[in-house]
Order: sequence, then C-alpha cells, then structure tokens
Amino acid sequence: DGGITQSPKYLFRKEGQNVTLSCEQNLNHDAMYWYRQDPGQGLRLIYYSQIVNDFQKGDIAEGYSVSREKKESFPLTVTSAQKNPTAFYLCASRGTHYVPRAFFGQGTRLTVV
Amino acid sequence: QKEVEQNSGPLSVPEGAIASLNCTYSDRGSQSFFWYRQYSGKSPELIMSIYSNGDKEDGRFTAQLNKASQYVSLLIRDSQPSDSATYLCAVMRDSNYQLIWGAGTKLIIKP
Repeated sequence: DGGITQSPKYLFRKEGQNVTLSCEQNLNHDAMYWYRQDPGQGLRLIYYSQIVNDFQKGDIAEGYSVSREKKESFPLTVTSAQKNPTAFYLCASRGTHYVPRAFFGQGTRLTVV
Repeated sequence: QKEVEQNSGPLSVPEGAIASLNCTYSDRGSQSFFWYRQYSGKSPELIMSIYSNGDKEDGRFTAQLNKASQYVSLLIRDSQPSDSATYLCAVMRDSNYQLIWGAGTKLIIKP
C-alpha cells in the first residue's frame, strides 16, 4: 500500500539535544512538507521540498533543519536551537499541482524532558 | 489578516442536526480548496475537495464554494458523535501552489 510513514510515533528529547524525525513516502510524490501543530492550533509550515536536493524554509524554520537526498525521504532535525520543540509534527506529501491534495503521515509527538 | 480564517469554536451541534463550518480566504486567485478532519492526536484526513463554484456532495458531506465572496463551507447532515473532531480548511495559493491552512474549527456533536 502506498503511503507516508513517520517514525517514531513518540520521541523524547533532553535539553540541548538534537533529534531527527523520519518521514518516508512511496507515493512517488515530488513535494514533501513538515508541519508543526501545537495544542488547539492549526498547521504551521516548517520546511518544504518540491524536488530532490532542494528545500525551502516555511514560516517557522528557525531551530530546524532538513535534507532531501532521495525522493522518498525528507527527515527533519530538531536542533538545540529550537527552544520550545514540544509539539506534534506532521509530514505530508503531494503530487503535482494538478493533483493538489496532501497526504499525511501519522505524526510524531515530541516532548522535551 | 490571515490568509485562511476559520472560527475556532467549539461549535456544538445536537446529534442528527446539520453542522455548518465556514472558511474565508484572502487570495482571490486560489483555485483549489480542501476540508480535512482531524481527530485528537491523529493526523488530518481529507473529507472533501472542491474546485468550482457551487455545491459538491459526498454522502452526508456537502462542500460549498463561492469565489466571488471568497468563502468555502462544509455542511455535515445527520451529524453523528463520530463527527466530533477539528475540521481544517486548506486553500492552495495560486502563486506557488502551496497549501495554506486555517487554524481549524472544533466541532462537538452532542448525543
């Protein structure tokens, strides 16, 4: 079955630590996205990538980094520079703009301990 | 002004009634509009997409689009407790094909 897989489902980070969230898709989609969602809030765009080896900052990129070395994979690193990383992180992908709906992974809940 | 605006709610509707959710957007050139449902702690799932003015029906759900007034709405007929969730409106920006998200409306269906 085609879809998007995020891992892990739950992640705990100590102060000053970098952590990496995984996102893999087998939908052959070019565009991939990372969103952050805080309780009671909508989706805020962290980074997006329209094509392999290229990515763009979203609205809240500070303290985060990404890579897009393969079409299937778009990992997100939450660095120690992100002072308030506790949130629900969602990865999504889309095909071309002719098929614009977004498909989501199941999300990763990150908690600072 | 936010690009996509929704009333945060909560919107409380009796079971069996019609729930009406609204969304306004600012980009007059937008062509694609989506409603997603998100249960607490889960990822959003697509409910409806609409691209043309007018109504689009799918089972108990009807999406309505009025580009002149720049709003899109979602009607849920015969509301069920399982419809209780947050509903997110997403609009595809015409200039760069990015999806812009509203903050969501929390819907509560009372048995």
